[in-house]
Amino acid sequence: DQQVKQNSPSLSVQEGRISILNCDYTNSMFDYFLWYKKYPAEGPTFLISISSIKDKNEDGRFTVFLNKSAKHLSLHIVPSQPGDSAVYFCAASQFFNNDMRFGAGTRLTVKP
Amino acid sequence: EAQVTQNPRYLITVTGKKLTVTCSQNMNHEYMSWYRQDPGLGLRQIYYSMNVEVTDKGDVPEGYKVSRKEKRNFPLILESPSPNQTSLYFCASSRARDRLYEQYFGPGTRLTVT
Repeated sequence: DQQVKQNSPSLSVQEGRISILNCDYTNSMFDYFLWYKKYPAEGPTFLISISSIKDKNEDGRFTVFLNKSAKHLSLHIVPSQPGDSAVYFCAASQFFNNDMRFGAGTRLTVKP
Repeated sequence: EAQVTQNPRYLITVTGKKLTVTCSQNMNHEYMSWYRQDPGLGLRQIYYSMNVEVTDKGDVPEGYKVSRKEKRNFPLILESPSPNQTSLYFCASSRARDRLYEQYFGPGTRLTVT
């Protein structure tokens, strides 16, 4: 069963606008959440993370929001740039487990 | 340069012919892991290792074996590959005290089993 879901397979945004990528999870025991970015022919690279004790974490143009009651997190990219075009994976982890669950990914296209 | 390397990058094989995909990291990371990526399913964890001689099953371990005899290496073994193991495979590593919060991924191995 997919415990982490990214329901939008793709998203297209104009350069300079905000990109919002969404992720839902079902396991309330998850306590750490991450976003990875993946370019074609490369492995995923870590982008940003958030602990369940926080509801927001910011790093430059990237902000992750966590809504624990809704079991939902989102990644905001402002402003979006063409170089942000990639597949974005949401992932979640539980402290007493050592595995990590990933969503199916959302392909972001930022148009110049 | 800190990196995770995988070999081979591309492999086409036939059903039942044993194969090994190697993974090596030069960051002295304790934690290593294997994932497969399939369309619509994202990344699914196959096996992981918390340290030398310590391995455990992930989400989809059936049909795979791993070993961790040295800290830097974590090979993935397919004893009898089948077509449903055709996929894109990624090896990853991270420091144990960061657990798996920030994993470094290799470039991927595209495997086709006919």
